[in-house]
Amino acid sequence: GIQVEQSPPDLILQEGANSTLRCNFSDSVNNLQWFHQNPWGQLINLFYIPSGTKQNGRLSATTVATERYSLLYISSSQTTDSGVYFCAAGPNFNKFYFGSGTKLNVKP
Amino acid sequence: ETGVTQTPRHLVMGMTNKKSLKCEQHLGHNAMYWYKQSAKKPLELMFVYNFKEQTENNSVPSRFSPECPNSSHLFLHLHTLQPEDSALYLCASSQDKGRPGETQYFGPGTRLLVL
Repeated sequence: GIQVEQSPPDLILQEGANSTLRCNFSDSVNNLQWFHQNPWGQLINLFYIPSGTKQNGRLSATTVATERYSLLYISSSQTTDSGVYFCAAGPNFNKFYFGSGTKLNVKP
Repeated sequence: ETGVTQTPRHLVMGMTNKKSLKCEQHLGHNAMYWYKQSAKKPLELMFVYNFKEQTENNSVPSRFSPECPNSSHLFLHLHTLQPEDSALYLCASSQDKGRPGETQYFGPGTRLLVL
């Protein structure tokens, strides 16, 4: 399957700071998604973004499909942004592979 | 109840037991998914159902047996599991599988421990 690598593995931010999370994938994909898992385990689907740029509030994502990477931007971080951010990539919605995640800790 | 619910939330079972995990969605969705989240491996998509029909089995061992009797309910039947099957099992649903951009809504998960 497709290899998905995320960086950095861990990130500590002060509240209000901005951050960029990266996802590299090993092959061309038609499905690229970002997820957030809060400290209590609840998983939320953030973006479906196989190419281009999308924004949702303080979060935005950009995927450069030709170079096989995607970036998740978090601006003006809040403590509620803490948790693990996962990238998943694959050929379609039936088959996709997750990275190991970036664990974010936003301190007040 | 709203959203996606899963029962039980915690389960301890022996390797010879048979148990079932239940997922129910109250969103009127047509597609449902099972995921496995182990401590030492990335999240894995296990099964995909659309309109009650299984559309994908991502090389999951036969000791895991899914059942989708209708679009609102999804079960994962477990038998003769191994300790390495201990994990958080997550259920999700979406309006329809295969349409690009479909948002998945996740349940809280069942934390399974196999002794």
